[in-house]
Amino acid sequence: QLQLQESGPRLVKPSETLSLTCTVSGASFSSNDYYWGWIRQTPGKGLEWIGCLHYSGSTYYNPSLKSRVTISVDRSKNQFSLKLNSMTAADTALYYCSRLRRYNSGWFVGFWGQGTLVTVSS
Amino acid sequence: IQLTQSPSFLSASVGDRVTITCRASQGINNYLAWYQQKPGKAPNLLIYATSTLESGVPSRFSGSGSGTEFTLTISSLQPEDSATFYCQQLIDFPLTFGGGTKVEIK
Repeated sequence: QLQLQESGPRLVKPSETLSLTCTVSGASFSSNDYYWGWIRQTPGKGLEWIGCLHYSGSTYYNPSLKSRVTISVDRSKNQFSLKLNSMTAADTALYYCSRLRRYNSGWFVGFWGQGTLVTVSS
Repeated sequence: IQLTQSPSFLSASVGDRVTITCRASQGINNYLAWYQQKPGKAPNLLIYATSTLESGVPSRFSGSGSGTEFTLTISSLQPEDSATFYCQQLIDFPLTFGGGTKVEIK
């Protein structure tokens, strides 16, 4: 049974880099039918898709965050990671890792991690 | 692609038929999904490809539409349906979500 577990710091200082890891159990990355990605949620902006990564290495990022985001995978540990630099208070959010599923040429969120709250504050 | 949900809040009684609308800023064929989020939990997939019910989702949930206008219908509202519902377009990156509709049980 698929499980996704986010880990990382809950508190980040302004201007620093957020690093979150998602540990995947019950599935492997090597499938054409999935992307692995990150989504965040705030009371003000709702659900915001951050980006995703395919096992082949291809990535897609939200243009609004692209200059600050990197998503990468560590297949040996069955983990993928999010790095978001130059953090500000506006990046305070609940961060979810997720698995995207394919429908024809489209992608939807088939599975969500439980989420981790990240606060940006000095 | 922007998605606009309406209403943002609705209050209905158990047994009522409830409809939520999601409008896309451009045509997305049938590339739309719906999620349900209960307080303190991650969203959960209900429907994808406009009308395909995810395994395990009760049949009282249904979706319809095409192009730019879509609806999620709960045929007979149950107490456990109290939640916030979101639509998401899946036709193109960046994936985008609607602003949500909070459903309250009277």
